[in-house]
Amino acid sequence: KQEVTQIPAALSVPEGENLVLNCSFTDSAIYNLQWFRQDPGKGLTSLLLIQSSQREQTSGRLNASLDKSSGRSTLYIAASQPGDSATYLCAVSYYGNNRLAFGKGNQVVVIP
Amino acid sequence: NAGVTQTPKFRVLKTGQSMTLLCAQDMNHEYMYWYRQDPGMGLRLIHYSVGEGTTAKGEVPDGYNVSRLKKQNFLLGLESAAPSQTSVYFCASSYPVGDTQYFGPGTRLTVL
Repeated sequence: KQEVTQIPAALSVPEGENLVLNCSFTDSAIYNLQWFRQDPGKGLTSLLLIQSSQREQTSGRLNASLDKSSGRSTLYIAASQPGDSATYLCAVSYYGNNRLAFGKGNQVVVIP
Repeated sequence: NAGVTQTPKFRVLKTGQSMTLLCAQDMNHEYMYWYRQDPGMGLRLIHYSVGEGTTAKGEVPDGYNVSRLKKQNFLLGLESAAPSQTSVYFCASSYPVGDTQYFGPGTRLTVL
């Protein structure tokens, strides 16, 4: 069974600092990996999707890397802002049906 | 383009009652999913569908049934609700393998 771990569960950073969020998974035979954002009481919004053949994806201040061999992904958020405060979820998908296995998330607070 | 919508947004049931949660998507996606989100457990897949008329079990299917009679709709049923089914339920949809999943806003269900 695929296990997805996100550490730390919660963190606070001052505004302007770069955020580094880590995700690890036990089975390297993934199809893709996605990072989502969830605001309190809301649904999930997809931030970045990295195919298994890719090493990284970038969107604005966000950059996600993927190292399949070590079972790790890292989400970087440059120059954090209070609006970045949210829970960030990592999820990996299996071949064949796009099922997702989720980590429990990193709850981020950016302090003004 | 409404994306993924869920009905209802909130519901309180008594133990033993039944109800149906409705998920609708207007993106012509083949795949649809039902997840539940619980504190400390993360998101877990209940059931999913890879096309109209198909359903399959996910990680935690017991106590739930689903139907996909129309491509745009995916229904989740609770025949006899139990307090352990108190949770936030999310529906998602996607194109076949390799694409991101788009999530609805969630249904908060409390079973007393």
